[in-house]
Amino acid sequence: DTGVSQDPRHKITKRGQNVTFRCDPISEHNRLYWYRQTLGQGPEFLTYFQNEAQLEKSRLLSDRFSAERPKGSFSTLEIQRTEQGDSAMYLCASSVPPGQGLLGELFFGEGSRLTVL
Amino acid sequence: AQSVSQHNHHVILSEAASLELGCNYSYGGTVNLFWYVQYPGQHLQLLLKYFSGDPLVKGIKGFEAEFIKSKFSFNLRKPSVQWSDTAEYFCAVTNSGNTGKLIFGQGTTLQVKP
Repeated sequence: DTGVSQDPRHKITKRGQNVTFRCDPISEHNRLYWYRQTLGQGPEFLTYFQNEAQLEKSRLLSDRFSAERPKGSFSTLEIQRTEQGDSAMYLCASSVPPGQGLLGELFFGEGSRLTVL
Repeated sequence: AQSVSQHNHHVILSEAASLELGCNYSYGGTVNLFWYVQYPGQHLQLLLKYFSGDPLVKGIKGFEAEFIKSKFSFNLRKPSVQWSDTAEYFCAVTNSGNTGKLIFGQGTTLQVKP
């Protein structure tokens, strides 16, 4: 399968614990996005990378959230000191480099569902 | 700030009925518009997109959408739905800048009864 893969698919944790999600984008895509989706809502933008550079962060992304893409390939999203309000589906998406006329056509992974008890 | 509004949260139709899902966006500049679909247990996938040109765009599985700039709308249509169209549908917008960041509506759940 050459799509976007995310790991783990499900994570149950206790409040106050740290969790980390990993995303492997489609190999030729240099842009990588993180979104959060709660029940009954559309995905909300969190942050995005072009190669290893984090170019934008949403105000939704509190100081407890950090994302990295150290070598411009896979990315991790870490949530420290989790709270019950962090329970959501965390979606990763990737896209082709700019200039190819396909901006906005994101390819999504299946998501990592977080449950904070 | 950009926002997207989908008017119908839950739609129930019988097979062969016609479908129209409303989508309005708020942004004054040039936009790119999308409809994504999420079938049960699957990831979000692109249904169709509008970048420029003919405001009536056709997507996969017989879906189409019409961009009406004066109404800031991008409604999704299908003349005859099938049970397999049961899914959640999301309208999304991005501006013509370089971020590629999508702003999504809250989604419409479509249930098609056989």
